[in-house]
Amino acid sequence: QKEVEQDPGPLSVPEGAIVSLNCTYSNSAFQYFMWYRQYSRKGPELLMYTYSSGNKEDGRFTAQVDKSSKYISLFIRDSQPSDSATYLCAMRRRGGNTPLVFGKGTRLSVIA
Amino acid sequence: NAGVTQTPKFQVLKTGQSMTLQCAQDMNHEYMSWYRQDPGMGLRLIHYSVGAGITDQGEVPNGYNVSRSTTEDFPLRLLSAAPSQTSVYFCASSYAPGQGYSPLHFGNGTRLTVT
Repeated sequence: QKEVEQDPGPLSVPEGAIVSLNCTYSNSAFQYFMWYRQYSRKGPELLMYTYSSGNKEDGRFTAQVDKSSKYISLFIRDSQPSDSATYLCAMRRRGGNTPLVFGKGTRLSVIA
Repeated sequence: NAGVTQTPKFQVLKTGQSMTLQCAQDMNHEYMSWYRQDPGMGLRLIHYSVGAGITDQGEVPNGYNVSRSTTEDFPLRLLSAAPSQTSVYFCASSYAPGQGYSPLHFGNGTRLTVT
């Protein structure tokens, strides 16, 4: 079992829909959780991060972490065609110089 | 703000040729890393460095060489290119991972084709 699992999609939704993107993980030591967005032919860029459990909201985006279930989610409200991209979850344990562990990414298309 | 700069953007090599992918960052980040991204495989870590003079292997280091002589630069060398190394290569940097959540900042990639 890989440390981080993410459904690659593709996921296609109509404009205005609520999108739910998810990752599961196996390492209970993970404490830092991030979501990256990658547009076609570009590098990933940090979208949101959370530390340990709980929710974080930023505009139309909400990140949730459920450590008891080892499950993280990214919700996009009122999705726009400009949200069409690949979304990668990433996580790391606290302390030390351990690299980020990435999911494989979910490709999202928002259709106008 | 330049951030992380990768050169070249595109490269075509013949099998057996060597080349160096350049990466430079201007954010004074201690940590730098190289990933390759292939369809269906996600981002895979090749090598990383936690500071000048210190490098370590990632998940897929074979066929690649790195060195870190300065804080700013982290070149990736392909000693004898193989078709299996056809990929998109990303360089990324951050503050030391032990200092909080330390998000990675990525360059825009080098698209390499080996024929």
